[in-house]
Amino acid sequence: SYVLTQPPSVSVAPGQTARITCGGNNIGSKSVHWYQQKPGQAPVLVVYDDSDRPSGIPERFSGSNSGNTATLTISRVEAGDEADYYCQVWDSSSDLPNWVFGGGTKLTVL
Amino acid sequence: EVQLVQSGAEVKKPGESLKISCKGSGYSFTSYWIGWVRQMPGKGLEWMGIIYPGDSDTRYSPSFQGQVTISADKSISTAYLQWSSLKASDTAMYYCARKGSSSLYNWFDPWGQGTLVTVSS
Repeated sequence: SYVLTQPPSVSVAPGQTARITCGGNNIGSKSVHWYQQKPGQAPVLVVYDDSDRPSGIPERFSGSNSGNTATLTISRVEAGDEADYYCQVWDSSSDLPNWVFGGGTKLTVL
Repeated sequence: EVQLVQSGAEVKKPGESLKISCKGSGYSFTSYWIGWVRQMPGKGLEWMGIIYPGDSDTRYSPSFQGQVTISADKSISTAYLQWSSLKASDTAMYYCARKGSSSLYNWFDPWGQGTLVTVSS
């Protein structure tokens, strides 16, 4: 089955740029989606199809995907961005399609 | 406003059965897939399965096949996740989430608020 690998944690100072990676075999050939989950809350979609933003998501959130790594970039980080972030893809490489999540990355705003 | 509202928290004993629900509103319930996602305490997200209420087409993750049953009643815009015999290891938060009808739309948005299931003797 397809595996997505994320760093367990990323730390950044307010106002700086945070980059959260999601590694997978030839992930650049797949569409990657990103979710933000704050403590005690349900996940929220922040980027879909590698780099598109749902309405209501600030432009500070952006995404890219190439080769074996997809990246969620959060510019001008704010205290309110502190959360867990998950990447997700749809894997159709086997007989049974599978929606796969990465292990999650905890973003700490210093 | 598109919304998914889940049933309330449950406390069950091992071996008991359970069915939790997810009611959609603000959109055509039969035109979108509903997925179920497990989050064990302090852990990440795991996709369990998905159903298309329009024709009840259902897919399961290999990890959950045979362990749970997903169903839907389109007359009341509600999807269900059920267990026939709960185990302590089923203790988790369970989320439902909407997915687009096309195979090109493979993200989940929005999500329900979650249903906490606690299984303890």
